[in-house]
Amino acid sequence: QVQVQESGPGLVKPSETLSLTCSVAGDSVSNLNYYWTWIRQPPGRGLEWIAFLYNTGTTSYNPSLMSRLTTSAGTSRNQFSLKLNSVTAADTAVYYCARVLSGTYSIDLWGQGTLVTVSS
Amino acid sequence: QSVLTQPPSASGTPGQRVTISCSGGSGFYYVYWYQQLPGTAPQLLISRNNQRASGVPDRFSGSRSGTSASLAISGLRSEDEGDYYCAAWDDRLGGRYVFGTGTKVTVL
Repeated sequence: QVQVQESGPGLVKPSETLSLTCSVAGDSVSNLNYYWTWIRQPPGRGLEWIAFLYNTGTTSYNPSLMSRLTTSAGTSRNQFSLKLNSVTAADTAVYYCARVLSGTYSIDLWGQGTLVTVSS
Repeated sequence: QSVLTQPPSASGTPGQRVTISCSGGSGFYYVYWYQQLPGTAPQLLISRNNQRASGVPDRFSGSRSGTSASLAISGLRSEDEGDYYCAAWDDRLGGRYVFGTGTKVTVL
């Protein structure tokens, strides 16, 4: 059974870089049947898409975050990462990594999410 | 700010049918629906306008007409209480995935 799990610091200082890793258990991020994605949810608010990491190695970023974002497949075949720099309190959210069925935008497998708080 | 607008809330008694709308402009081809139960991660309900995801009961159905989409929950159950989001890929402005504003479903 495939699972995805987010990991990273729960507290980041303003102006610093938020770094998260998604570990995929039971599959590989190079599996051509899937893309991979990051999504976030500020406390008490709705979902916001951050980025897609396609199995071609290309990426799509939310235009509102693009200038501060980097995503990549990790050095391990079953990890991918997110880096968001120059964070502010507005970046405080639960961050989810998830799997997307290739050729669709069906996000069919989600991690449990990890809360990242931006505060000094 | 989302370009997919949903009603903030919907409610019904057990056994009733509840419908949630998702309205947006042009540029969307397929709409997806996600359910987020309290304290949990979202999960896929409906793919490509009307295809139920694996394991989703047939009480949930999706439809699409023009620039709007709908999610219907028939035979409402207490365990259906939670937040529901539509989503779509927006081809405009270089492309982005957008979620709707979300609808909280309450079972009375």
